[in-house]
Amino acid sequence: DAGITQSPRHKVTETGTPVTLRCHQTENHRYMYWYRQDPGHGLRLIHYSYGVKDTDKGEVSDGYSVSRSKTEDFLLTLESATSSQTSVYFCAISESRQETQYFGPGTRLLVL
Amino acid sequence: DQQVKQNSPSLSVQEGRISILNCDYTNSMFDYFLWYKKYPAEGPTFLISISSIKDKNEDGRFTVFLNKSAKHLSLHIVPSQPGDSAVYFCAASDSNEKLTFGTGTRLTIIP
Repeated sequence: DAGITQSPRHKVTETGTPVTLRCHQTENHRYMYWYRQDPGHGLRLIHYSYGVKDTDKGEVSDGYSVSRSKTEDFLLTLESATSSQTSVYFCAISESRQETQYFGPGTRLLVL
Repeated sequence: DQQVKQNSPSLSVQEGRISILNCDYTNSMFDYFLWYKKYPAEGPTFLISISSIKDKNEDGRFTVFLNKSAKHLSLHIVPSQPGDSAVYFCAASDSNEKLTFGTGTRLTIIP
């Protein structure tokens, strides 16, 4: 299994509060991704990174920001959480864009 | 606009029989297709993939078929085993190499 961890695994927060999710990898892969999974939508790409300090938007990036200051860590921040951001968030990594993506265990976020 | 569609939300199959999961896509620029398997409370795990230059790829009990003219791919699992019970996601990528996922099919293998 690829060495990917996500923290926290579960979080309950209130509308309007900032939330940061962390993805940590031990594989030294260049690419890292954040997805959200919702019923009826499958997995949708939020943001991705192709190197330290290099990030780009995905399909559903509004309300989210990311940062990558080290190869191994990719942070997803909800600046002001809303109930529509209640979801399961998955981090993924790959050696290159052409390579298979490997997923972390997920973070279940509930925004009340 | 759902570019990758899995029209069957669920499927039940007897143990030992063949499971066939289907996926349709609308974007003719997709050239690489993957299947992921997901157990509850875990992340998706890669299962098998196929390039658009092929029409079949086989890996043990798993075979993926691609019909480009119909924009359709399918995953065959034979024989089906209880451990195959999971949600299966179809995904596709184009030259931008971003993955577009389907909504998933929940497969239940009946002992």
